[in-house]
Amino acid sequence: AQTVTQSQPEMSVQEAETVTLSCTYDTSESDYYLFWYKQPPSRQMILVIRQEAYKQQNATENRFSVNFQKAAKSFSLKISDSQLGDAAMYFCAYRSQEGQGFSFIFGKGTRLLVKP
Amino acid sequence: KAGVTQTPRYLIKTRGQQVTLSCSPISGHRSVSWYQQTPGQGLQFLFEYFSETQRNKGNFPGRFSGRQFSNSRSEMNVSTLELGDSALYLCASSLGLLAGGSGETQYFGPGTRLLVL
Repeated sequence: AQTVTQSQPEMSVQEAETVTLSCTYDTSESDYYLFWYKQPPSRQMILVIRQEAYKQQNATENRFSVNFQKAAKSFSLKISDSQLGDAAMYFCAYRSQEGQGFSFIFGKGTRLLVKP
Repeated sequence: KAGVTQTPRYLIKTRGQQVTLSCSPISGHRSVSWYQQTPGQGLQFLFEYFSETQRNKGNFPGRFSGRQFSNSRSEMNVSTLELGDSALYLCASSLGLLAGGSGETQYFGPGTRLLVL
């Protein structure tokens, strides 16, 4: 079974600086998808960025980028020019296709604090 | 397009009761997944429905069940509620494609917060 590990329960960053959130996963599949979701306090979970495992190029969405190391099974999220609105729980997720359908396996999350 | 909607947003029940939660997916999405989120266990997958069929199931007891209607709306039912069922229940929808494309991205609703007393 696949697992997703986020080893940093909490991180803090100064506004306008850069922070990297770590995620490692374990799988025997060769083709899969990875995601970072953001869950602000008492608000809806929203997609930050996604990565297809067959693509070697790291995904980028504005200030958000990933460092995808397939061999190391590592999928870190870099947030550049951090803003107060980036404060949230960040979840790393793996899309598993075990069984007839699919499910998302989430890490425990990293709480990001942004200091003004 | 309207996003994923969930009703009700908050519920208070007592032990032994049953509860039904509802989820309306994004228009055109045929897959609906349900997750339980608690501070201790994090986000745990309950089940996924696609075209009215349960396609995948997580490790939850049989007290947790669901169904999907022809319009892709989904309901989740929990019978004989226990204190440990207190959680935020999240619904997510996607196109439900098993291979390729952007159809595998899930979009989440705001959740239903269930408190069992």
